[in-house]
Amino acid sequence: EVQLLESGGGLVQPGGSLRLSCAASGFTFSSYAMSWVRHAPGKGLEWVSGISSTGDSTYYADSVKGRFTISRDNSKNTLFLQMTSLRAEDTAVYYCAKDVGGALGVWGQGTMVPVSS
Amino acid sequence: SYELTQPPSVSVSPGQTATITCSGDRLGDKYVCWYQQKPGQSPVLVMYQDNKRPSGIPERFSGSNSGNTATLTISGTQAMDEADYYCQAWDSSTYVFGTGTKVTVL
Repeated sequence: EVQLLESGGGLVQPGGSLRLSCAASGFTFSSYAMSWVRHAPGKGLEWVSGISSTGDSTYYADSVKGRFTISRDNSKNTLFLQMTSLRAEDTAVYYCAKDVGGALGVWGQGTMVPVSS
Repeated sequence: SYELTQPPSVSVSPGQTATITCSGDRLGDKYVCWYQQKPGQSPVLVMYQDNKRPSGIPERFSGSNSGNTATLTISGTQAMDEADYYCQAWDSSTYVFGTGTKVTVL
Protein backbone atom coordinates (compact mmCIF):
# COMPACT_ATOMS: atom_id res chain seq x y z
CA GLU A 1 0.00 0.00 0.00
CA VAL A 2 1.30 3.43 -0.96
CA GLN A 3 1.75 5.58 2.14
CA LEU A 4 3.09 9.00 2.97
CA LEU A 5 3.58 9.94 6.62
CA GLU A 6 4.46 13.50 7.58
CA SER A 7 6.07 14.48 10.86
CA GLY A 8 7.83 17.43 12.43
CA GLY A 9 4.95 19.85 12.82
CA GLY A 10 4.28 21.80 15.97
CA LEU A 11 3.98 25.24 17.50
CA VAL A 12 6.73 27.65 16.46
CA GLN A 13 7.24 31.34 17.17
CA PRO A 14 7.34 33.94 14.40
CA GLY A 15 10.82 34.09 12.98
CA GLY A 16 11.52 30.53 14.02
CA SER A 17 12.44 27.43 12.01
CA LEU A 18 11.07 23.94 11.60
CA ARG A 19 11.89 20.90 9.48
CA LEU A 20 9.13 18.69 8.20
CA SER A 21 9.70 15.11 7.09
CA CYS A 22 7.63 12.80 4.92
CA ALA A 23 8.34 9.08 5.02
CA ALA A 24 7.27 7.23 1.90
CA SER A 25 6.50 3.53 1.52
CA GLY A 26 4.80 1.17 -0.90
CA PHE A 27 6.34 2.60 -4.09
CA THR A 28 9.71 3.32 -5.67
CA PHE A 29 10.26 6.70 -4.04
CA SER A 30 13.29 7.55 -6.18
CA SER A 31 11.21 7.39 -9.37
CA TYR A 32 8.74 10.13 -8.50
CA ALA A 33 8.73 13.88 -8.12
CA MET A 34 7.22 15.06 -4.86
CA SER A 35 5.52 18.19 -3.57
CA TRP A 36 4.51 19.96 -0.40
CA VAL A 37 1.05 21.56 -0.26
CA ARG A 38 -0.45 23.49 2.62
CA HIS A 39 -3.97 24.27 3.79
CA ALA A 40 -4.35 27.30 6.02
CA PRO A 41 -7.41 27.50 8.30
CA GLY A 42 -10.42 28.77 6.38
CA LYS A 43 -8.48 29.06 3.14
CA GLY A 44 -7.86 26.97 0.03
CA LEU A 45 -5.06 24.64 -0.91
CA GLU A 46 -1.71 26.24 -1.73
CA TRP A 47 1.14 24.45 -3.45
CA VAL A 48 4.37 25.24 -1.58
CA SER A 49 7.27 23.44 -3.22
CA GLY A 50 8.21 20.59 -5.51
CA ILE A 51 11.30 18.49 -6.22
CA SER A 52 12.28 16.21 -9.08
CA SER A 53 12.79 12.48 -8.59
CA THR A 54 16.56 12.86 -8.38
CA GLY A 55 16.47 16.03 -6.31
CA ASP A 56 18.35 17.97 -8.99
CA SER A 57 15.48 20.39 -9.61
CA THR A 58 13.47 22.27 -7.03
CA TYR A 59 10.56 24.66 -7.35
CA TYR A 60 8.92 27.09 -4.94
CA ALA A 61 5.84 29.26 -4.59
CA ASP A 62 6.67 32.95 -4.48
CA SER A 63 5.26 33.12 -0.96
CA VAL A 64 8.00 30.85 0.43
CA LYS A 65 10.92 31.42 -1.95
CA GLY A 66 14.09 32.20 -0.05
CA ARG A 67 12.66 30.96 3.26
CA PHE A 68 11.79 27.29 2.60
CA THR A 69 14.04 24.57 1.20
CA ILE A 70 12.83 21.25 -0.16
CA SER A 71 15.10 18.22 -0.29
CA ARG A 72 14.96 14.45 -0.37
CA ASP A 73 16.98 11.41 0.66
CA ASN A 74 16.20 8.65 -1.80
CA SER A 75 18.25 6.15 0.21
CA LYS A 76 15.85 6.67 3.13
CA ASN A 77 12.65 7.23 1.11
CA THR A 78 12.16 10.56 2.84
CA LEU A 79 11.14 14.04 1.72
CA PHE A 80 11.97 17.15 3.73
CA LEU A 81 10.86 20.76 3.99
CA GLN A 82 13.13 23.11 5.90
CA MET A 83 11.18 26.20 6.91
CA THR A 84 12.87 29.34 8.23
CA SER A 85 11.78 32.90 9.05
CA LEU A 86 8.30 31.57 9.72
CA ARG A 87 5.38 33.99 9.73
CA ALA A 88 1.87 33.84 11.11
CA GLU A 89 0.59 33.40 7.56
CA ASP A 90 2.56 30.16 7.25
CA THR A 91 0.18 28.58 9.78
CA ALA A 92 -1.36 25.60 8.01
CA VAL A 93 -1.62 21.87 7.70
CA TYR A 94 1.29 20.77 5.53
CA TYR A 95 0.84 17.76 3.23
CA CYS A 96 3.39 15.90 1.19
CA ALA A 97 2.13 14.45 -2.06
CA LYS A 98 3.34 12.11 -4.79
CA ASP A 99 3.50 13.60 -8.27
CA VAL A 100 1.99 11.34 -10.91
CA GLY A 101 2.63 13.27 -14.09
CA GLY A 102 1.31 16.71 -13.25
CA ALA A 103 -1.23 15.52 -10.71
CA LEU A 104 -0.83 14.83 -7.01
CA GLY A 105 -2.03 11.28 -6.83
CA VAL A 106 -1.28 10.32 -3.24
CA TRP A 107 -1.33 12.57 -0.17
CA GLY A 108 -0.17 12.11 3.38
CA GLN A 109 -2.35 12.76 6.41
CA GLY A 110 -0.75 16.16 7.00
CA THR A 111 1.10 17.79 9.87
CA MET A 112 -0.04 21.00 11.56
CA VAL A 113 2.27 23.98 11.84
CA PRO A 114 0.91 26.82 14.00
CA VAL A 115 3.09 29.94 13.95
CA SER A 116 2.30 32.04 16.99
CA SER A 117 3.91 33.78 19.93
CA SER B 1 1.18 34.60 -11.68
CA TYR B 2 -1.41 32.27 -13.10
CA GLU B 3 -4.81 32.19 -11.41
CA LEU B 4 -7.69 29.73 -11.41
CA THR B 5 -11.13 30.91 -10.34
CA GLN B 6 -13.96 28.72 -9.05
CA PRO B 7 -17.41 29.59 -7.70
CA PRO B 8 -17.35 29.58 -3.89
CA SER B 9 -20.32 27.25 -3.59
CA VAL B 10 -22.60 24.93 -5.52
CA SER B 11 -25.78 23.40 -4.16
CA VAL B 12 -27.38 20.27 -5.58
CA SER B 13 -30.22 17.95 -4.66
CA PRO B 14 -29.46 14.26 -4.21
CA GLY B 15 -29.60 12.43 -7.53
CA GLN B 16 -29.16 15.61 -9.56
CA THR B 17 -26.12 16.87 -11.46
CA ALA B 18 -23.53 19.15 -9.90
CA THR B 19 -21.36 21.24 -12.22
CA ILE B 20 -18.21 22.91 -10.91
CA THR B 21 -16.31 25.32 -13.15
CA CYS B 22 -12.70 26.43 -13.10
CA SER B 23 -11.63 29.45 -15.14
CA GLY B 24 -8.18 30.54 -16.21
CA ASP B 25 -6.48 32.19 -19.14
CA ARG B 26 -6.22 29.67 -22.01
CA LEU B 27 -6.84 26.89 -19.52
CA GLY B 28 -7.76 24.58 -22.35
CA ASP B 29 -4.09 24.54 -23.37
CA LYS B 30 -3.16 22.93 -20.05
CA TYR B 31 -4.08 19.68 -18.32
CA VAL B 32 -6.44 20.13 -15.39
CA CYS B 33 -6.87 17.94 -12.32
CA TRP B 34 -9.54 17.97 -9.63
CA TYR B 35 -9.32 17.14 -5.94
CA GLN B 36 -12.01 16.39 -3.39
CA GLN B 37 -11.43 17.33 0.23
CA LYS B 38 -13.79 16.47 3.05
CA PRO B 39 -13.54 18.18 6.47
CA GLY B 40 -10.59 16.93 8.49
CA GLN B 41 -9.33 14.73 5.65
CA SER B 42 -6.55 14.91 3.10
CA PRO B 43 -7.39 15.83 -0.50
CA VAL B 44 -8.15 13.01 -2.93
CA LEU B 45 -7.45 13.15 -6.67
CA VAL B 46 -10.75 12.57 -8.50
CA MET B 47 -9.81 13.61 -12.05
CA TYR B 48 -6.54 14.05 -13.95
CA GLN B 49 -5.53 15.06 -17.47
CA ASP B 50 -8.89 16.84 -17.85
CA ASN B 51 -11.13 13.77 -18.01
CA LYS B 52 -9.40 10.68 -16.62
CA ARG B 53 -10.62 9.06 -13.43
CA PRO B 54 -8.11 7.46 -11.05
CA SER B 55 -8.80 3.93 -9.96
CA GLY B 56 -11.58 3.80 -7.39
CA ILE B 57 -13.29 7.04 -8.40
CA PRO B 58 -16.95 6.45 -9.32
CA GLU B 59 -18.10 6.84 -12.92
CA ARG B 60 -20.49 9.62 -11.87
CA PHE B 61 -17.45 11.94 -11.86
CA SER B 62 -16.50 13.33 -15.27
CA GLY B 63 -14.42 16.22 -16.53
CA SER B 64 -13.84 18.45 -19.53
CA ASN B 65 -11.60 21.35 -20.46
CA SER B 66 -11.84 23.78 -23.34
CA GLY B 67 -11.13 27.43 -24.00
CA ASN B 68 -10.80 29.20 -20.67
CA THR B 69 -12.94 26.84 -18.60
CA ALA B 70 -12.58 23.37 -17.13
CA THR B 71 -15.58 21.60 -15.67
CA LEU B 72 -16.05 18.81 -13.15
CA THR B 73 -19.46 17.18 -13.36
CA ILE B 74 -20.97 14.91 -10.73
CA SER B 75 -23.95 13.01 -12.13
CA GLY B 76 -26.44 11.47 -9.73
CA THR B 77 -24.86 13.31 -6.82
CA GLN B 78 -24.85 11.46 -3.52
CA ALA B 79 -24.64 12.75 0.03
CA MET B 80 -21.09 11.38 0.25
CA ASP B 81 -20.03 13.79 -2.51
CA GLU B 82 -20.52 16.79 -0.22
CA ALA B 83 -17.02 18.29 0.05
CA ASP B 84 -14.70 21.03 -1.13
CA TYR B 85 -13.41 20.63 -4.68
CA TYR B 86 -10.27 22.21 -6.09
CA CYS B 87 -9.10 22.37 -9.67
CA GLN B 88 -5.38 22.43 -10.39
CA ALA B 89 -3.18 23.12 -13.38
CA TRP B 90 0.55 23.12 -14.03
CA ASP B 91 2.09 26.43 -15.11
CA SER B 92 5.73 27.53 -15.34
CA SER B 93 7.01 24.60 -13.27
CA THR B 94 4.55 25.25 -10.48
CA TYR B 95 1.25 23.76 -9.43
CA VAL B 96 -1.63 26.23 -9.32
CA PHE B 97 -4.77 25.45 -7.36
CA GLY B 98 -8.16 26.98 -7.92
CA THR B 99 -9.93 28.97 -5.23
CA GLY B 100 -12.10 26.00 -4.26
CA THR B 101 -15.82 25.22 -4.42
CA LYS B 102 -17.92 23.91 -1.56
CA VAL B 103 -20.48 21.43 -2.87
CA THR B 104 -23.53 21.10 -0.65
CA VAL B 105 -25.98 18.26 -1.19
CA LEU B 106 -29.35 19.50 0.06
